[in-house]
Amino acid sequence: QKEVEQDPGPLSVPEGAIVSLNCTYSNSAFQYFMWYRQYSRKGPELLMYTYSSGNKEDGRFTAQVDKSSKYISLFIRDSQPSDSATYLCAIVTSGTYKYIFGTGTRLKVLA
Amino acid sequence: DGGITQSPKYLFRKEGQNVTLSCEQNLNHDAMYWYRQDPGQGLRLIYYSQIVNDFQKGDIAEGYSVSREKKESFPLTVTSAQKNPTAFYLCASSKVATYGYTFGSGTRLTVV
Repeated sequence: QKEVEQDPGPLSVPEGAIVSLNCTYSNSAFQYFMWYRQYSRKGPELLMYTYSSGNKEDGRFTAQVDKSSKYISLFIRDSQPSDSATYLCAIVTSGTYKYIFGTGTRLKVLA
Repeated sequence: DGGITQSPKYLFRKEGQNVTLSCEQNLNHDAMYWYRQDPGQGLRLIYYSQIVNDFQKGDIAEGYSVSREKKESFPLTVTSAQKNPTAFYLCASSKVATYGYTFGSGTRLTVV
């Protein structure tokens, strides 16, 4: 079983839709959770970072962590064509800097 | 502006050849990392370094080598021992005491 599972997509949605991206993980020791956005042929950029269960909001983006279910989500409201990218979840344990990355979900927002 | 610079953007390697990928950062970050990205496999850690003159193997270090002689620089050499080097290589850095990587824009290596 992989430590982090992420649906690869692709996921196509119309402009303005609410997008839900998800990852599941197997190790309850994981404590820090991140979402990265990666445009084609570019390096990933950090979107959201959280270390507790619950929701964290930043503009149109909301990161949600459910540690009891080992499930993390990223919601994008009012999605735009510029949101079309691959979204990677990343998880790390306290005291280490080696992240475990999901395989990424490819999102396409249609104008 | 602070950031990470990877060069070259595209690199072609002949069979049996060693090639070196450059990574330079001016963020004053202590830790630096090299990842390999292949379609459908996510990012896999090759090597990482938390301080100058010290580095550790990641999950797929075979066929690769690194050095960390300066805080700003962490070059990666892909040796002829790496049998399947065609991939997208990403360098990243972070402050040791915080979380969240800053990534470079990547180098795409192709064997010809």
